[in-house]
Amino acid sequence: DADVTQTPRNRITKTGKRIMLECSQTKGHDRMYWYRQDPGLGLQLIYYSFDVKDINKGEISDGYSVSRQAQAKFSLSLESAIPNQTALYFCATSSAGGEDTQYFGPGTRLTVL
Amino acid sequence: AQTVTQSQPEMSVQEAETVTLSCTYDTSESDYYLFWYKQPPSRQMILVIRQEAYKQQNATENRFSVNFQKAAKSFSLKISDSQLGDAAMYFCAYRSRPPAEGSNYKLTFGKGTLLTVNP
Repeated sequence: DADVTQTPRNRITKTGKRIMLECSQTKGHDRMYWYRQDPGLGLQLIYYSFDVKDINKGEISDGYSVSRQAQAKFSLSLESAIPNQTALYFCATSSAGGEDTQYFGPGTRLTVL
Repeated sequence: AQTVTQSQPEMSVQEAETVTLSCTYDTSESDYYLFWYKQPPSRQMILVIRQEAYKQQNATENRFSVNFQKAAKSFSLKISDSQLGDAAMYFCAYRSRPPAEGSNYKLTFGKGTLLTVNP
């Protein structure tokens, strides 16, 4: 079984709809992240969380919100989706100590029409 | 702010040959991590190799090795004995260590190099 899972893997929605992307991990990591990937732009950080009570904005948080329901679960919401939020979304996790290398989920491809 | 530059949008290599992907970065920090991630058509971001800036020895992982030149701020990835399964987009990434004030613990990514492996 994969260590970091994301649901759904693909989603098509319409402008104005509320969308939630979910991430679960079995790695036992404390830190979780949401990134967005656009063609030709690499990955950009949306939000990150160091534990259940700690949520921080990344570099492109406008239009997004997150919820850390448990150590293993971190959800990303688009309250009112718009077409320029069409992108590939990745969840990542890392441990609090040591190397803190980030490990990624398989990604969710979101299309907003 | 840190920046990561991958100057080769696309590269190609013959199967069993060696290829080197380039990465340069800009930072004022002295301690940091550098990474290479691979993204095959499946979209999964897979960690290939990691280098700590304070270590002079270049990291290696089987057929993958890096040439880390700290003074030149260069971090290239060498893939030896290339295989068809190596075909993917490769991203170079930077992270502060320990995370500097305001760094957000984020990975700063380059724009990627698309590697094609020809049979």
